[in-house]
Amino acid sequence: DAKTTQPPSMDCAEGRAANLPCNHSTISGNEYVYWYRQIHSQGPQYIIHGLKNNETNEMASLIITEDRKSSTLILPHATLRDTAVYYCIVRLNRDDKIIFGKGTRLHILP
Amino acid sequence: GAVVSQHPSWVICKSGTSVKIECRSLDFQATTMFWYRQFPKQSLMLMATSNEGSKATYEQGVEKDKFLINHASLTLSTLTVTSAHPEDSSFYICSASTGNQGKNIQYFGAGTRLSVL
Repeated sequence: DAKTTQPPSMDCAEGRAANLPCNHSTISGNEYVYWYRQIHSQGPQYIIHGLKNNETNEMASLIITEDRKSSTLILPHATLRDTAVYYCIVRLNRDDKIIFGKGTRLHILP
Repeated sequence: GAVVSQHPSWVICKSGTSVKIECRSLDFQATTMFWYRQFPKQSLMLMATSNEGSKATYEQGVEKDKFLINHASLTLSTLTVTSAHPEDSSFYICSASTGNQGKNIQYFGAGTRLSVL
């Protein structure tokens, strides 16, 4: 079973920041938080990952709480192309399988 | 990011025939690749872990004799659906791990949509 809990769906207005929450209260000390997204009929796309520090790249920012029991993925300026299912995944940093939960279906509203 | 190529993107076959799907890591070597299956409106379900030069590890409930996996090189893994039936119709997706310490990222192929008539 997936180790994370995400809301099933969210809406966000185009141009606004999209904040996607994820709970991972049973995360262990050496597990990372990864985020992927899947646009309809495509393979999942890697977005970002982190251990305990906040991370930022060209796609998004990842905010991890100090106790590491939850995190938030931030898409700073959402566009219609960001409409997708977003998956929050907890796993070890090695060649390990990914178990996908149900994710959050993000709708970007024009 | 790294590129994983999957071929074909779409295949239609008759019931009882076999179908082979290829997964290639184009710009990196992958000792481990993974195969997933996704039914409409559902999440990805891991089928098996493919290790270069050794037998694949199948998840519970996945028939290893029906879904043959070969990982003959560090850049290629294949999934063969043998004696396909309509219930095997699905979206099959592979992934490959870069395995770099500190940035162990799995990259996914674009998927193969299989329709069995």
